[in-house]
Parts: sequence; structure tokens; C-alpha cells
Amino acid sequence: DGGITQSPKYLFRKEGQNVTLSCEQNLNHDAMYWYRQDPGQGLRLIYYSQIVNDFQKGDIAEGYSVSREKKESFPLTVTSAQKNPTAFYLCASSMSPGQHTGELFFGEGSRLTVL
Amino acid sequence: GQNIDQPTEMTATEGAIVQINCTYQTSGFNGLFWYQQHAGEAPTFLSYNVLDGLEEKGRFSSFLSRSKGYSYLLLKELQMKDSASYLCAAMDSNYQLIWGAGTKLIIKP
Repeated sequence: DGGITQSPKYLFRKEGQNVTLSCEQNLNHDAMYWYRQDPGQGLRLIYYSQIVNDFQKGDIAEGYSVSREKKESFPLTVTSAQKNPTAFYLCASSMSPGQHTGELFFGEGSRLTVL
Repeated sequence: GQNIDQPTEMTATEGAIVQINCTYQTSGFNGLFWYQQHAGEAPTFLSYNVLDGLEEKGRFSSFLSRSKGYSYLLLKELQMKDSASYLCAAMDSNYQLIWGAGTKLIIKP
């Protein structure tokens, strides 16, 4: 079955550590996204990529980094520079906008807690 | 600026009908999405409207008025499993989604 897989589902980090969240999709989608979700707020875009080896900053990119070496994979690194990293992180993918409605398919999410 | 407004929380009774409203302001417009999200889970797609009018899909319907910057999601014959957050998102001229904070729907027996 096609879908998006995020790992780990839960992650604990000490202050000052970098952590990397994995996101893999087998939907053959061109576009991939990372969102952050905090209580009482809408999803906020961290980074997105519409093609391999290219990605763009979203609204809250500071303290995060990504790579897109393969179409299927879009890992997110939460660096020690991110001031308040405790949150629920969602990875999503879509066919390129304009080719379809742009409907997003989401992974199950990764909950990061900084101790 | 770009903005999405929807109520924070709503309560309804099992078997009843509920309407969740969403107003939006975006730079350009390429459609309005509704997603359902159960607690601790990923959002799942419910509907997409880009033209004015009502789109019906089983117990769920979604309405759009582009001139008013307004949409609503209508849920009929409510079931306990419909207890979830409902996220409204508008797509701007750059095909980027602007998200509302979500409406938590509580269904009571």
C-alpha cells in the first residue's frame, strides 16, 4: 500500500542535541512538506521541496534543516538552534500543485519532547 | 496579511447536524480544503472546493463562497467517531496552504 512513513513516532531530546526525523513516501509524489503543529495553532510550514535536490524555506525555518537527495525521502533535522522544539511534526506529500488539487497526504507524525 | 478564522470548539449531539464555519483572507485563491484530525493522529483529507457552491460526499458536505471568503463543513447524522478536530486551509496564488487553528468537535451521546 502506498503511503508516507514517519519515524520515530516519539522522540526525546536533551537540550543542545540535534535530532533527525525521517519521512519516506512511496506515492511517487513530487512535492514534500514538513509542518509543525502546536496546541491552539494552525499547521506551520517549516520547509518544502517540489523537486529532488531543491527545497524552500517555509514560515518557520529557523533552527531546522532538510535535504532532498531522493524523491522518496525528505528528512528533517531539528538543530540545537531551535529555541522551542517540543512539538508535533508532520510530514506530507502531494502531486505538484497545478497538476491536481494539491491534496496533502500526511504521515502519522513525530512527537518531539525536549527534556 | 493572510488569515484563516474558525471556531475553537463546538459541541453537538450524536445523530444531529453541525456546521463548522471558516472565513479566509489570502493573496489569490486556489481552493479551500477541509481535513479531519483525530487526537494524536495525522490529518486526513475530507474535501476540496474551488468553485462556489456545495459539494456533497456522504454524510459530509462542504460549501464555498469566494466573494465572501467563506466556507463551511456540514456534518450530518453525527457519530461518536466524528469527534475530532476539523482543519480549514486555503491555498493562495503560490499554491501554498494557509491553515486555520482547527475546530475541536465534541460529540455527546
